[in-house]
Amino acid sequence: GQQLNQSPQSMFIQEGEDVSMNCTSSSIFNTWLWYKQDPGEGPVLLIALYKAGELTSNGRLTAQFGITRKDSFLNISASIPSDVGIYFCAGLTTDSWGKLQFGAGTQVVVTP
Amino acid sequence: DTEVTQTPKHLVMGMTNKKSLKCEQHMGHRAMYWYKQKAKKPPELMFVYSYEKLSINESVPSRFSPECPNSSLLNLHLHALQPEDSALYLCASSPRDTHYEQYFGPGTRLTVT
Repeated sequence: GQQLNQSPQSMFIQEGEDVSMNCTSSSIFNTWLWYKQDPGEGPVLLIALYKAGELTSNGRLTAQFGITRKDSFLNISASIPSDVGIYFCAGLTTDSWGKLQFGAGTQVVVTP
Repeated sequence: DTEVTQTPKHLVMGMTNKKSLKCEQHMGHRAMYWYKQKAKKPPELMFVYSYEKLSINESVPSRFSPECPNSSLLNLHLHALQPEDSALYLCASSPRDTHYEQYFGPGTRLTVT
C-alpha cells in the first residue's frame, strides 16, 4: 500500500526556535492533512491542503502542498512549550474513500 | 464548531464482557470513522460509514461490531475482546463525504484484562 515517509522522527528544540518537518510519498495525493496529538488525546487537525502548491498558515503554523503532489511540509515558528506533542501528516487520494494514509509521526520536545 | 464527542473516556473490561463505545457529532457530517491507536503509532482505520452505510471494513475481527443508528451517532460494540485489543479508540467525522478532512474525537482508552 501507499506509504508516507515522515521526518524527522523526533526533534528536541529550544523555546523560540523554528521547527520544520516533512512527509514524502511515492504516490500522488489529492489532500494533505497535518494533525497534532497530545498524550491520551485525539489528533487535532491543524491544517488541510487541497491544491498542489498551496501554502496555508494557521497562526504560527505554515504548511505547503508540494507541487508534485507527493510531499508536504509543516513549519512551526517561534516554538513555545505547548507545541510539545506528536505531529502526524496524512494523505488522501480520490479513490481512498476516507482511508487516510498516515506518516509515522514527529515527536517534538520543547525545552525552555 | 468541529467537536466530536466520545464516551466513555476510559473503559476497563474483562475478556467475557460486552460493552459499547459511543461517538456523537452534531456538525452535519455525513462520514464517520472508527480508528484504533497503539502508543506512539498513527491511528489505524477500522471502519468507515458514509451516509450511515458501512463502506469500509478493514478486515476487523467480528468481536468488534460497528453501528450507525443515525447521521449523528456511531457506536462500536465490543464482545469477547483480547488483551491485545487494549488501545485508544478514536472516532472521527468528515464534512460532506469521505474525500475531506477528518475531525477526531478525544478517544476512549480501552483496557482489556
